[in-house]
Amino acid sequence: KQEVTQIPAALSVPEGENLVLNCSFTDSAIYNLQWFRQDPGKGLTSLLLIQSSQREQTSGRLNASLDKSSGRSTLYIAASQPGDSATYLCAPPIDDKIIFGKGTRLHILP
Amino acid sequence: DVKVTQSSRYLVKRTGEKVFLECVQDMDHENMFWYRQDPGLGLRLIYFSYDVKMKEKGDIPEGYSVSREKKERFSLILESASTNQTSMYLCASSSQGNDGYTFGSGTRLTVV
Repeated sequence: KQEVTQIPAALSVPEGENLVLNCSFTDSAIYNLQWFRQDPGKGLTSLLLIQSSQREQTSGRLNASLDKSSGRSTLYIAASQPGDSATYLCAPPIDDKIIFGKGTRLHILP
Repeated sequence: DVKVTQSSRYLVKRTGEKVFLECVQDMDHENMFWYRQDPGLGLRLIYFSYDVKMKEKGDIPEGYSVSREKKERFSLILESASTNQTSMYLCASSSQGNDGYTFGSGTRLTVV
């Protein structure tokens, strides 16, 4: 059964810092991995989708990497802004289902 | 803009009522999913469907059922609502290919 761990569980950093969110998963037989953002009380917004054949994917200030062999993915956020404050979830699908970690709750201090 | 639409943003229901949560997607996706999200427990899969009239149990199906009569619509049914079903419910869809999942904006259900 796929198990997903996200570290750290919570993070508070001053505006402008670069930061890294970590995701590890136990079953590496995945065909892609998706990173989501969730604002309080809202649904999930897709940030990046990395196919298993790729090693990384970039969108603006966000860069996500995937290492299937080690069961790890990282989300790098450059030049953080207060609007980046949210919970970030990684989702590696297995058997056409996605199992989520508990997420990283990020707070960017102005 | 492709979308997953959940019919209600907030719902308040009484214990014992039959509750229907509706989800519609306009992307012609084969797969649809229902999750619930609770503080400290994260997102947990209730039911999913890979095709019309098909359904599969997720990790926490007890107390719930689903209906998928049309490809674009996936309904979650609480046969007799209980207070422990107070939660945020999230619907998602995906295709058979590798283009990721799209989520709705969620329904906050309170059972009193």
